[in-house]
Amino acid sequence: GAGVSQSPSNKVTEKGKDVELRCDPISGHTALYWYRQSLGQGLEFLIYFQGNSAPDKSGLPSDRFSAERTGGSVSTLTIQRTQQEDSAVYLCASSLQLETSGSQETQYFGPGTRLLVL
Amino acid sequence: AQSVTQPDIHITVSEGASLELRCNYSYGATPYLFWYVQSPGQGLQLLLKYFSGDTLVQGIKGFEAEFKRSQSSFNLRKPSVHWSDAAEYFCAVGAHGDYKLSFGAGTTVTVRA
Repeated sequence: GAGVSQSPSNKVTEKGKDVELRCDPISGHTALYWYRQSLGQGLEFLIYFQGNSAPDKSGLPSDRFSAERTGGSVSTLTIQRTQQEDSAVYLCASSLQLETSGSQETQYFGPGTRLLVL
Repeated sequence: AQSVTQPDIHITVSEGASLELRCNYSYGATPYLFWYVQSPGQGLQLLLKYFSGDTLVQGIKGFEAEFKRSQSSFNLRKPSVHWSDAAEYFCAVGAHGDYKLSFGAGTTVTVRA
């Protein structure tokens, strides 16, 4: 079946502009994750959704970052008043719902959105 | 909190030679361990994972990894490297009841002819 898709694949914007990044998870996956991969850095966890709820937003770098998920499917990551340090690859992943036992579920990643803030 | 260390930033290997990528983790209980590969301009592809059971895990593309609890390691191996294996490799650890993965900084593999 189809994997995780993200759009746009590339985004160039000017400092101070707002951007929206979209993620379409694998059908049936109720958990959705956003990560950021900056040049020279590892992958940094941003936020996690279980259904439409985000139990943990503590990974978001600042209040300029927000995310939402509707219909338990598509998610949008919004960055307001972009700064040059926001330039990075933003990766989305999805997984099956965590079982009540708390076991880890495999996360499947999309191709990412490469954001460049000029 | 869990953490991951990949000691090698960059490895160069000849085509046909064996490859081993090191991964050490820090976590108080039995971790969930993953290896992902990222080709230039691509997202992350899962190579293999360890949740429990047999400590030697087979993955795709001829890769395998061995979980060694005593050494807190989960090293990735491939007996004979192909040019298409040139990529960046990430080790990740997850915790029971947690939802996020902690990733290592990655190891870039260059394959020379």
